[in-house]
Order: sequence, then structure tokens, then C-alpha cells
Amino acid sequence: QVQLQQSGPGLVKPSQTLSLTCAISGDSVSSSSAAWNWIRQSPSRGLEWLGRTYYRSKWYNDYAVSVKSRITINPDTSKNQFSLHLNSVTPGDTAVYYCARESTGSKFDFWGQGTLVTVSS
Amino acid sequence: DVVMTQSPLSLPVTPGEPASFSCRSSQSLLHSNGHNYSNWYLHKPGQAPQLLIYLASNRASGVPDRFSGSGSGTDFTLKISRVEAEDVGVYYCMQALQPPYTFGQGTKLEIK
Repeated sequence: QVQLQQSGPGLVKPSQTLSLTCAISGDSVSSSSAAWNWIRQSPSRGLEWLGRTYYRSKWYNDYAVSVKSRITINPDTSKNQFSLHLNSVTPGDTAVYYCARESTGSKFDFWGQGTLVTVSS
Repeated sequence: DVVMTQSPLSLPVTPGEPASFSCRSSQSLLHSNGHNYSNWYLHKPGQAPQLLIYLASNRASGVPDRFSGSGSGTDFTLKISRVEAEDVGVYYCMQALQPPYTFGQGTKLEIK
């Protein structure tokens, strides 16, 4: 059974960097049949896909246009996890952040527990 | 980006009655492999979203058979044959044809 465990701070100051980690068990971040995604949910935006990382002989990333200039998603093969870094945050980035595995059929079949991140001074 | 439009935004239903959710995409979600890349998720308060339907009509593992998905191209439907109290939450469609993946705005299912 795949499990995703999220960690990271729940409070970030404006203009700083939001950083979250998603630890994977039951699968590998280097899997050639999966991709590893970050999604957020807020009352104003609903569910918003942020981006993903995946390995197909080399590493690839895709990012949402709305955050493309501020986001980095990195795999960490030594710890079997992946991370989200979103810089220059504003109160508009306040949301519950989720990591999720994308498997064959482009379906998000396993999700992390969610992390409420509040951007406030 | 592909825009996903759901209707209605709110759906009050009596337990035991059916429910139907509609989703329309701004571009066809039909892939050259013959699959429609439309997925449905249920988001219950305080929980992570859960996958219900993938590739338009395939029920995810563990999802009760009262849930069914249909549609092709730009129009998709999720149906619950008999609503139960545990089905309350917000239902989202999502296009998974190509990044950036996009979600609809959600339909909130409420029990009458």
C-alpha cells in the first residue's frame, strides 16, 4: 500500500519561501510508471494543480502557469521523497497543500494528509 | 489551459435518490489512444480528496458500484444511483489529458 507523509511548516511570512516535503512508502520516487504531484486547495481557488516531477530515464518537471516563475519540485532519491518550494509567497498562497501520486491513466490514486499553510506576518 | 466547467454548483439530494453531476471541458479530452482523460474526485471536509472515476468511466479501487462515470470528448457525467449520507462533500472533475492539469470549480452535494 502506498503512503505519502507530508511535513513542513504551517506558517510562512510574506515574501519568504514555502517548503514542504512528501515522503513516499510503498513506491519509489524514481518509478518509471508514476509521477509525483503537488496540489493545493483554498476557498477562493478550489483545487489547483501546481506541478509534478517524474523519472523517465531522466528527470522531468511540469508546472502550472500561475506559479511557474516561483515553483520548484525536486525529487530526493536518497530519502525516497519529493519536495515543493514556492518562493515570494503572498497571503494568496494560503491553502491546504497536498502531495499525490499520479499513476497509469493520469489518476491521482494516493494522497498525502494535507498541510495547511498560512502566509502571514 | 483547459477550462473545466461543472454544474450545478450545489446539489441537495434526499438519501436513496439519484444524483447527477455534469462537467464540460473547453477542449476535447479524447486521447489518440481512445481514452478520455477525465477524472472525478470527492473531497470531504478534513480529508484528502479521493479518486472516484478515472479515464471517464473506470471506477477506482474500493469505490462503491453506485458511482458511475460516462461521457466523451468535452462532456462528462458522474452519477450516484442512490445517495447515502456518507457521500456528502464536494465533487470535482479534472482534466488529465496534458499538463497543466485543471479542475472544475466543484459541485457540493448536500443531504436534504
